[in-house]
Amino acid sequence: AQTVTQSQPEMSVQEAETVTLSCTYDTSESDYYLFWYKQPPSRQMILVIRQEAYKQQNATENRFSVNFQKAAKSFSLKISDSQLGDAAMYFCAYKSYGNNRLAFGKGNQVVVIP
Amino acid sequence: NAGVTQTPKFQVLKTGQSMTLQCAQDMNHEYMSWYRQDPGMGLRLIHYSVGAGITDQGEVPNGYNVSRSTTEDFPLRLLSAAPSQTSVYFCASTAKNTEAFFGQGTRLTVV
Repeated sequence: AQTVTQSQPEMSVQEAETVTLSCTYDTSESDYYLFWYKQPPSRQMILVIRQEAYKQQNATENRFSVNFQKAAKSFSLKISDSQLGDAAMYFCAYKSYGNNRLAFGKGNQVVVIP
Repeated sequence: NAGVTQTPKFQVLKTGQSMTLQCAQDMNHEYMSWYRQDPGMGLRLIHYSVGAGITDQGEVPNGYNVSRSTTEDFPLRLLSAAPSQTSVYFCASTAKNTEAFFGQGTRLTVV
């Protein structure tokens, strides 16, 4: 089974600054998907960004971008111009191309300081 | 567009009681799954289903049963609740080559 590792359980960032969350994963597969999910205090799981392993270009969604390093099995999330609404738990997740099972990391708590 | 509907949002059970967490999706997804979320543990897979009539165990299946009689519904049953099952539970629905869509979660407390 694939394992997903997120270090630094809690990270703080000043409002308007940038924060980067790290994620590494272990797999022998060549085709897969990677995701970052946001979980605010409401508990809802919200997709932030997704990356297909076959795509070399890093995904970007507004203020959120990833640095996908396939050889290093690394998938970091950068939040630019942090806003108070970005305060949440962020989970990195892996999904095989051939099945729909998700493997999650343990999460990073992001605290935004006004 | 409802997406994934999960009920109830909160539940308190006494040890030994049984209950069913309901999950329904209206996206015609074949794959559905149940996760539990515990502090510092991320989300762990309990059971999953690849289609009506087909279910299988995930990482932490003990104490839980599931069935999938229709594409839309995937209930999770706790036959005899234990304090170790105190957790937040999520149902998710996934189509091939897309992300998972989650229900709003159920906070379950077993006393």
